[in-house]
Amino acid sequence: SQQGEEDPQALSIQEGENATMNCSYKTSINNLQWYRQNSGRGLVHLILIRSNEREKHSGRLRVTLDTSKKSSSLLITASRAADTASYFCATAGNTGFQKLVFGTGTRLLVSP
Amino acid sequence: NAGVTQTPKFRVLKTGQSMTLLCAQDMNHEYMYWYRQDPGMGLRLIHYSVGEGTTAKGEVPDGYNVSRLKKQNFLLGLESAAPSQTSVYFCASSPRDASYNEQFFGPGTRLTVL
Repeated sequence: SQQGEEDPQALSIQEGENATMNCSYKTSINNLQWYRQNSGRGLVHLILIRSNEREKHSGRLRVTLDTSKKSSSLLITASRAADTASYFCATAGNTGFQKLVFGTGTRLLVSP
Repeated sequence: NAGVTQTPKFRVLKTGQSMTLLCAQDMNHEYMYWYRQDPGMGLRLIHYSVGEGTTAKGEVPDGYNVSRLKKQNFLLGLESAAPSQTSVYFCASSPRDASYNEQFFGPGTRLTVL
C-alpha cells in the first residue's frame, strides 16, 4: 500500500514562480526522500531528510519535515522549464530492514 | 560509470509468453530492487536483494521471479505474462538500505502484454 500521498496531483506555473508540493504519510519514519522523474526516464534522487531534521536545502530546493503532522513539503524556487517533471516522496521506516515506499507523485508543468 | 542499466528498453509480449529483464549496476552496491510503475501511481516494490545470492519479496511479487547470481546483476523473470503485467519496470540499487541511503534508478523497461 502507498505510504505517501502527494498534493496537489498536478501543478502548472510560469517560469520564475515558486512551486510547492506536499507529501503526507501514515507511519513513523527514519527518513523521507524526494525524487524527480522526467517523462520517460528513471527517478533521480533530490534530497533526503531524516526524522530528526526539520528543514534541508539543496540549491533551489527546500524541504521541510513535520513529524508531528506526518507531512513534508518540497519547495522549488525560481522554477525553470527544465523543472517540468513528476516529483515523488518516498519514506523509509525505522525498524528492521528498510525499503522505500513511494507516494503517487505530483506532476509539475513549468511554462516559459 | 554507467550507473544502473536495464535491458531491454521496450518489449511487447503475448499473453503466456515468458521473458527476463536484466538490470546491471557498476557501483558495487549491495542492495538491488525491482519496481513497477503504473499510470497515476507511484512505484511499487516487486522483489529486492540485500546481497549476492539473496532475494526477497516486496509488495507485489506474484507472477514474478528474480535471481541475483552476481553482485552487479539482478534479473526479473515473467514466467507466463499476463495483461495485468503491462507496466514500466524500474531497477534500482543502493549501498545500504533506505534508512541510510538514496536509491539509484535505471532508465526503465516499458513492457506491453497483449
